[in-house]
Amino acid sequence: DTGVSQDPRHKITKRGQNVTFRCDPISEHNRLYWYRQTLGQGPEFLTYFQNEAQLEKSRLLSDRFSAERPKGSFSTLEIQRTEQGDSAMYLCASSAARIGGYTFGSGTRLTVV
Amino acid sequence: QKEVEQDPGPLSVPEGAIVSLNCTYSNSAFQYFMWYRQYSRKGPELLMYTYSSGNKEDGRFTAQVDKSSKYISLFIRDSQPSDSATYLCAMRDNAGGTSYGKLTFGQGTILTVHP
Repeated sequence: DTGVSQDPRHKITKRGQNVTFRCDPISEHNRLYWYRQTLGQGPEFLTYFQNEAQLEKSRLLSDRFSAERPKGSFSTLEIQRTEQGDSAMYLCASSAARIGGYTFGSGTRLTVV
Repeated sequence: QKEVEQDPGPLSVPEGAIVSLNCTYSNSAFQYFMWYRQYSRKGPELLMYTYSSGNKEDGRFTAQVDKSSKYISLFIRDSQPSDSATYLCAMRDNAGGTSYGKLTFGQGTILTVHP
């Protein structure tokens, strides 16, 4: 296992289209987080899964955003009716324990044109 | 006002210099403090992880936490061109209750070490 994997690395989409990103965490990690990072800013928390349960969602996660983690393995983040303001790097991170640092993936860079 | 404030720089130093990076925060519930390094178009990579106040050293890197002042620092000794990256401070509370251990990040400081 080589770490947290995210796919695709880069996505360009037209405004109004739907997009879906995938995250494969480190296999023994039961905690999974999604963050969004815009240019020149630190990552901002979006949502958290413990196993398959989505336990917390940020108010940044509007109703156009949905995330799932079926069977507590990989996770998907879908954005419906994309807007130019959705352009950002979407980062996934996983962790095995309640404390400790996370391991981040390389992110999916979304560009909405 | 943001919960975590970090000077975005940019910071440019010559090779071999000692680099000091800093963050201040306002949430007294934060107990775990981290520094991440992020290269361009990559995800953040965990450099240092500390709990509560004190110092921690790992090779050329030293992390300091002063909870009484709500101030954390990262020192890089003998800086190298390969240290050129964005450095992000991050912190979390004890992950009890409903926080689930989510991290709050600073804005990031862009560091360039020139030969």
